[in-house]
Order: sequence, then C-alpha cells, then structure tokens
Amino acid sequence: GAVVSQHPSWVICKSGTSVKIECRSLDFQATTMFWYRQFPKQSLMLMATSNEGSKATYEQGVEKDKFLINHASLTLSTLTVTSAHPEDSSFYICSARSSTSFSGANVLTFGAGSRLTVL
Amino acid sequence: DAKTTQPNSMESNEEEPVHLPCNHSTISGTDYIHWYRQLPSQGPEYVIHGLTSNVNNRMASLAIAEDRKSSTLILHRATLRDAAVYYCILRPGGGADGLTFGKGTHLIIQP
Repeated sequence: GAVVSQHPSWVICKSGTSVKIECRSLDFQATTMFWYRQFPKQSLMLMATSNEGSKATYEQGVEKDKFLINHASLTLSTLTVTSAHPEDSSFYICSARSSTSFSGANVLTFGAGSRLTVL
Repeated sequence: DAKTTQPNSMESNEEEPVHLPCNHSTISGTDYIHWYRQLPSQGPEYVIHGLTSNVNNRMASLAIAEDRKSSTLILHRATLRDAAVYYCILRPGGGADGLTFGKGTHLIIQP
C-alpha cells in the first residue's frame, strides 16, 4: 500500500532557529500533499496544501512567511518553520493522496508525524 | 466538508465488538463516508470508507443507514491496539482538498 515517510520524527531546537521537516511518498507520486498541525489533546488542523511545481495554498490564519513549503518533486514536500518560537511547538503531520488508491474516494495516506519542541 | 457528530469517548472491553456511531444528517449525495484513526503519538491511518452499501475489510466493517444520515464503524473484536481516536469524515467523491478533522471519538479498551 501507499506509504508516506516523515523526517525527522522529533526535533528540539532553540528559539529563533529554523527547522525543516521532510515528507516523502515512498511508492507513489503525489502531486498534492497536505500539512497538518496538532496541539496536545486537540484535533488535526490543516495548515496548507502543497502542490508540486507551484506555490502552496495556506489556510486562513497560517503565516506563509513563517511556514515555508516547498514541493519540488512528485515525491517530496518540505515544511520549514522559520524563526521558531515556543508557541510553534507542536506535532506536524503530512499526508498525500495516491492516484491509484481508491480512485474517486480521495483516501489519504498520512506520515507518522514530526514532533517539534522549541526551547 | 459536511459536518459529522461523534461521541467524545467510548469504552469497551478487550475481545468484544465495538460499535462507533457517527451522525451526518447534512450528507450530500456524492459524499463518501471515511473513517480514520489516530493511535497515540502517530499520524492518522485510513480504516474504511463507503458510499451507500455496507463495507467490510480486514480492519473493520462500516454499516451505513439507508438514508445515509448516520453510519457505524464496527470493530468485531477489539484489542488493546485498537485504542485510538476514531474520526468520521465526509468527503466529496473526486475531491482534491485535505481532510477536515473533527474531535473524533476516543476509544478506550479495557483489558
């Protein structure tokens, strides 16, 4: 089945530094990937839609200059948290849709998530 | 995405069946009913989906009401590894947007 890999699974950084999270589709091509954020004991919130070869689409309230998304190939999207602060500490999760998976039903495959802690 | 309503939490015993309800009274004719679950500290994983007919797979069964305004996810024999938050989500067929997650149902399995 479709597999999405995220790296790193956890990262600790100092306030003011930037952190990059990678999301790869391992056995399928993904023209679109989605980035979510999840705070403790809350549900997932969609941050942005990453489109291969074009600019990402951000949800209302998400700062595009702070959360830089690059989708340079059909199998890789990256999320860079720039000038991270403690309030950016969260669980970041990516997902992608395999074109061959339940075509028409729009089933998504999720990565295992990346836990960011900003000190 | 159309709105769904699920109980905040449910508790069941290990090796017993679990029925997780979901109400979606505003479902449209082209909406698929999706279920995902999220184990602790992991990303969500797909469980099952359906449109009109009941569905079975190796993980679970999905029972869809005749009027499609509600559905039930059935875990036939729950194990401790099934403890997770279960999300019921409506998705338009062919839609390309990301999923919108509600609060889901926190399923607790007692040994």
